[in-house]
Amino acid sequence: GQQLNQNPQSMFIQEGEDVSMNCTSSSIFNTWLWYKQDPGEGPVLLIALYKAGELTSNGRLTAQFGITRKDSFLNISASIPSDVGIYFCAGQLYSGSARQLTFGSGTQLTVLP
Amino acid sequence: EPEVTQTPSHQVTQMGQEVILHCVPISNHLYFYWYRQILGQKVEFLVSFYNNEISEKSEIFDDQFSVERPDGSNFTLKIRSTKLEDSAMYFCASRGQVSSYNSPLHFGNGTRLTVT
Repeated sequence: GQQLNQNPQSMFIQEGEDVSMNCTSSSIFNTWLWYKQDPGEGPVLLIALYKAGELTSNGRLTAQFGITRKDSFLNISASIPSDVGIYFCAGQLYSGSARQLTFGSGTQLTVLP
Repeated sequence: EPEVTQTPSHQVTQMGQEVILHCVPISNHLYFYWYRQILGQKVEFLVSFYNNEISEKSEIFDDQFSVERPDGSNFTLKIRSTKLEDSAMYFCASRGQVSSYNSPLHFGNGTRLTVT
């Protein structure tokens, strides 16, 4: 099956710093999604990317859909304590009506005051 | 904003027992999913459901698992005879209004299943 490599696995940053994380795949996806998961909760959608090369922002978050359709990155600018959590990339391949998601292994972000 | 609702939030069961996990997807969504997340690991696809039948399932979704949409609002996951390795967070997700081709998945807060 398809696999996503997400890097880094964990990050410790100072409040106010910018953060960057990425996902790569050996196969293409039609959609890239970025989710954030807080402890004990389900993934919450942050940004959805639908076209190769697309650059989309959501507040302090910016994500890009790689031109090859095999990668994506997420940037968080001026981090704050509530940015703490696990960030997952997810790729979606249209196959009939299912369009299941393949998740990356997550980036655990810790923001130090 | 509409939410996917899952109950219970935590289920403890003994090995070999049957469990049913409940989900109420976002109304007017058409595609329904179950994912699971073993502690400390990534979220894994189990099954997708559309038009009252399974669209796709992963190798994890063996004969011990089944899904059902018993009425117009609920979407359940049944594990017939639980094993220790079934312990995980189980997430329900839904997607898609009639005209939205690219609509992303929306997840519930999960049910933590502990098999003892």
